[in-house]
Amino acid sequence: AQSVAQPEDQVNVAEGNPLTVKCTYSVSGNPYLFWYVQYPNRGLQFLLKYITGDNLVKGSYGFEAEFNKSQTSFHLKKPSALVSDSALYFCAVRGPAMNTGFQKLVFGTGTRLLVSP
Amino acid sequence: NAGVTQTPKFQVLKTGQSMTLQCAQDMNHEYMSWYRQDPGMGLRLIHYSVGAGITDQGEVPNGYNVSRSTTEDFPLRLLSAAPSQTSVYFCASSYDLGAGGYTFGSGTRLTVV
Repeated sequence: AQSVAQPEDQVNVAEGNPLTVKCTYSVSGNPYLFWYVQYPNRGLQFLLKYITGDNLVKGSYGFEAEFNKSQTSFHLKKPSALVSDSALYFCAVRGPAMNTGFQKLVFGTGTRLLVSP
Repeated sequence: NAGVTQTPKFQVLKTGQSMTLQCAQDMNHEYMSWYRQDPGMGLRLIHYSVGAGITDQGEVPNGYNVSRSTTEDFPLRLLSAAPSQTSVYFCASSYDLGAGGYTFGSGTRLTVV
């Protein structure tokens, strides 16, 4: 079964420092991977996705993610963190096709990022 | 461009009451889903729809009903609320069965007492 793991419940980083939020995946076949961000009392917002091609994917708000097939990882990164980046981050993988052909997203448990001034 | 609109934003129910969470999208997306978000568990799929008149169960469908009479609307009904249904509920729509990302609503925070 498709799954993702986010090993850190929380990541703390100082403003201006680089940040990494970790995600590993387990899939059969080629992975379709996603990152979403959730700000307080808001819905999830799409950040970026990996379908195929370049292993370094660039997304919204200066975030990028590196797909590593050998390590089955898809870590989210940003060169210089902002206090406004503080939020809950979810990694997700496309799940297997269901009866109707629908393919859901399977989410990790989320990582809270806290950026201190 | 409103995207996905969920109402209400907050709701408190007593055990045994029923209610409907509303979801509407204006992007002409065929695919719509309901997820619940619980601490430490990520998001879990409740029900989904691949078009008007076509719905199916997700991972945690018990206690919930859905219908899809139009492309725009996908309401979620709680038949007899239980404390275990205390959660944050998100509606999402998408345009592409596999490769596309979802557009999420802002959520409904439900408390069952």
